[in-house]
Amino acid sequence: KAGVTQTPRYLIKTRGQQVTLSCSPISGHRSVSWYQQTPGQGLQFLFEYFSETQRNKGNFPGRFSGRQFSNSRSEMNVSTLELGDSALYLCASSLGLAAQETQYFGPGTRLLVL
Amino acid sequence: AQSVTQLDSHVSVSEGTPVLLRCNYSSSYSPSLFWYVQHPNKGLQLLLKYTSAATLVKGINGFEAEFKKSETSFHLTKPSAHMSDAAEYFCVVNPPGNQFYFGTGTSLTVIP
Repeated sequence: KAGVTQTPRYLIKTRGQQVTLSCSPISGHRSVSWYQQTPGQGLQFLFEYFSETQRNKGNFPGRFSGRQFSNSRSEMNVSTLELGDSALYLCASSLGLAAQETQYFGPGTRLLVL
Repeated sequence: AQSVTQLDSHVSVSEGTPVLLRCNYSSSYSPSLFWYVQHPNKGLQLLLKYTSAATLVKGINGFEAEFKKSETSFHLTKPSAHMSDAAEYFCVVNPPGNQFYFGTGTSLTVIP
C-alpha cells in the first residue's frame, strides 16, 4: 500500500505570493492533518480534515487554509506569504480521527519564502 | 492551558546502554500522549501512544513509556540503545477534542 505522498517536495516563493500544497493520504484513510515544522517554533498543528470537514484547527492566522476532497486528498493554501512561513509542511493521514488512530506522515514539502 | 515539555534538548548515550527521554505535560483533562521519532530526511513515525488504558505502554523497536498522572510525566525508555536509534524524538499531547501539541524535541546521539 502506498504511503502518504506530498507534492511538491520543494518550493520557492517570494513574499506576497500564495502557495498551494497537496497531500494524498494512504488509500482508505479519511483524515488528513497538516503540520508546520520550523527550527524556531518546532512542530505545530495547523488543522485536521475528516470527511471533507475541518475538525480541528491550530493557532494560525487566516492566511492558512485548507480543504479536503471527496477522495480524501487534501490541499493547504497559504496566501500573502511572509518570510516566516518558510518551513517544512508535513501532512499525516489516519483511518479515523487523528486522536483515535495512528497517524502516518508524509515526507513533507519544504517551502522557502524569499 | 495545554503544553508539553521535553526536559532535554539533547541526549547522548553509548550503544548498548539504557535510553531515557523525559517528557512532562500540562493538560486540563486526561489527554492522549504520544512519542514520535524523526530520522534525518525522513517523515515522523509513531513509536507509541497512551490513550487511558494501561499506564505502561510498549511501542516499536523496544521502546516503552510510562504514564504517571501524579507526576504529569510520560518518559520514554529503552533498555539498550542501538546505533539506528539516533534521531529526533517528539513527545506529543492531545487533550480531548483539542489539537495536537508537540514538544520541542530531543536529539538522541548513540556513541559506538
